[in-house]
Amino acid sequence: GENVEQHPSTLSVQEGDSAVIKCTYSDSASNYFPWYKQELGKRPQLIIDIRSNVGEKKDQRIAVTLNKTAKHFSLHITETQPEDSAVYFCATSNQGGKLIFGQGTELSVKP
Amino acid sequence: DGGITQSPKYLFRKEGQNVTLSCEQNLNHDAMYWYRQDPGQGLRLIYYSQIVNDFQKGDIAEGYSVSREKKESFPLTVTSAQKNPTAFYLCASSGVNFGTQYFGPGTRLTVL
Repeated sequence: GENVEQHPSTLSVQEGDSAVIKCTYSDSASNYFPWYKQELGKRPQLIIDIRSNVGEKKDQRIAVTLNKTAKHFSLHITETQPEDSAVYFCATSNQGGKLIFGQGTELSVKP
Repeated sequence: DGGITQSPKYLFRKEGQNVTLSCEQNLNHDAMYWYRQDPGQGLRLIYYSQIVNDFQKGDIAEGYSVSREKKESFPLTVTSAQKNPTAFYLCASSGVNFGTQYFGPGTRLTVL
């Protein structure tokens, strides 16, 4: 069945360093790839997304890259700040609209 | 996602009781979803609805029921058949072509 694997499950970086989270997916029909940030006890919030006709998208310190051939996509956060500390989820969907989520990465940015 | 509301924020249930969680959206979105999140876990899809008066089971529908009588409302009932219902429940909605999903603030259900 459809599956999304996310790595690493935990990531600790020093403030100012970069963080990279990677997801691989199994459904070749996937065409939409969002990333969500969830702070403790709160709702997931969309931070960036990419569609299958684009290889890379950037929004200030956040970027997402997509490799459709290899079926993986990654979130890149540069110049990390303590407020970036949260759980990050990747997801995929196809025309059917259902999102398949990864298991999440707990990012800790140490001052 | 400020246009999606869930109530109550916290809910306590005794064993054997059914409880209903509310989800309302004023974004004019066609599709609505219910997810369950357990501590330290990802989001698992319970039910979803792409149009009024129609809904489909997700990955963990057993012990849950839904209705979609109005476009803006998608209540979830946690029945006594759900053996381990303590979790954080999130509702989401999406618009045309089932694109970006926006989440409500969640309901934390605890079984006493």
